[in-house]
Amino acid sequence: GEDVEQSLFLSVREGDSSVINCTYTDSSSTYLYWYKQEPGAGLQLLTYIFSNMDMKQDQRLTVLLNKKDKHLSLRIADTQTGDSAIYFCAESSDAGKSTFGDGTTLTVKP
Amino acid sequence: GAVVSQHPSRVICKSGTSVKIECRSLDFQATTMFWYRQFPKQSLMLMATSNEGSKATYEQGVEKDKFLINHASLTLSTLTVTSAHPEDSSFYICSVTDANTQYFGPGTRLTVL
Repeated sequence: GEDVEQSLFLSVREGDSSVINCTYTDSSSTYLYWYKQEPGAGLQLLTYIFSNMDMKQDQRLTVLLNKKDKHLSLRIADTQTGDSAIYFCAESSDAGKSTFGDGTTLTVKP
Repeated sequence: GAVVSQHPSRVICKSGTSVKIECRSLDFQATTMFWYRQFPKQSLMLMATSNEGSKATYEQGVEKDKFLINHASLTLSTLTVTSAHPEDSSFYICSVTDANTQYFGPGTRLTVL
């Protein structure tokens, strides 16, 4: 079946850029998502990208997609302590059902 | 985007009892809702697809008799954990899809003693 992989932990200093990487296996993936989950809370959709796009920028967030390598990344510029959370990458080839990675715990140090 | 609510947000129950979790789409008519489960420090796992007016579709390994899903209207789906056991303790999250975007509820934390 489909598989999505992420590194589990990332630690950065406040003000630096954070880059969270994700790889997936389903070549028919149509949508790729990034979600943020703060402790004890549900998921918050941060951004998504269609598989026919290479890049999408939204304020401090930049998503890069390398479809050939099935590699997705999320860059957070000027990372703040409030960005500390778990970030999930997910893919969907059928809008609605998504396969999630295990999440990357981002820790931002002052 | 769609607004999704869940009730209750937290529930603690004794082993052997049944617990019902509600998922409501507040501003969007959802013919399909999804139920996910999240274990501590782990990813979301899709449990089932809830279809309005018909039977839910369960993912492999999910016991349909244990996790009863009812999608009686376009705005409400319920998940009932029957005869709950401590291993059912988890975070349960529902979602709806509007076009190409998935919207998640805030989740329900179930603790079975």
